[in-house]
Amino acid sequence: GESVGLHLPTLSVQEGDNSIINCAYSNSASDYFIWYKQESGKGPQFIIDIRSNMDKRQGQRVTVLLNKTVKHLSLQIAATQPGDSAVYFCAENQFYFGTGTSLTVIP
Amino acid sequence: GAGVSQSPSNKVTEKGKDVELRCDPISGHTALYWYRQSLGQGLEFLIYFQGNSAPDKSGLPSDRFSAERTGGSVSTLTIQRTQQEDSAVYLCASSLAGVSSGELFFGEGSRLTVL
Repeated sequence: GESVGLHLPTLSVQEGDNSIINCAYSNSASDYFIWYKQESGKGPQFIIDIRSNMDKRQGQRVTVLLNKTVKHLSLQIAATQPGDSAVYFCAENQFYFGTGTSLTVIP
Repeated sequence: GAGVSQSPSNKVTEKGKDVELRCDPISGHTALYWYRQSLGQGLEFLIYFQGNSAPDKSGLPSDRFSAERTGGSVSTLTIQRTQQEDSAVYLCASSLAGVSSGELFFGEGSRLTVL
């Protein structure tokens, strides 16, 4: 079956630096990808999405990049803040979620 | 409230007992999803409801798991004869649109502990 995985399980960054979280997917037919943020004890929260006909999409302080050739997805967070500390999941359509990357922002 | 509501927030049960978990989606959302999240793991898709269509049950791990959605709104996930490996957080989410579009809005989950 399909799988969505993350390259790094943990990431620590200094406050103010940029963060990059990576994700690989296996189903080349997937047409919709989403990034979610999950804080401790809470449900995941939508961050940004991208369709397969796009390579890049920007939001507020976040950018998602999609490389269909290598089936890779990344989330870039600019000027990372302590409030960004959480687990980040990529998802393929709404069915397949990666294991997650834990981001810790060091003040 | 305006968000997705799940109950109970915590449930402790004994092995072999049945449990019911409830989800109240956001009003007007036609799509409803159930996921399971084990400690430190990602979300495992369980079941998907879209409007009046037959649900997608492809993620249910065994026939002990079932779910229904009454009147296109409230959903109940039932686990029969619970096992210790069923211990997890069960998350419900709803959205306006279907699987290839639309932001999912998650509840805070029901934490199930099977002793």
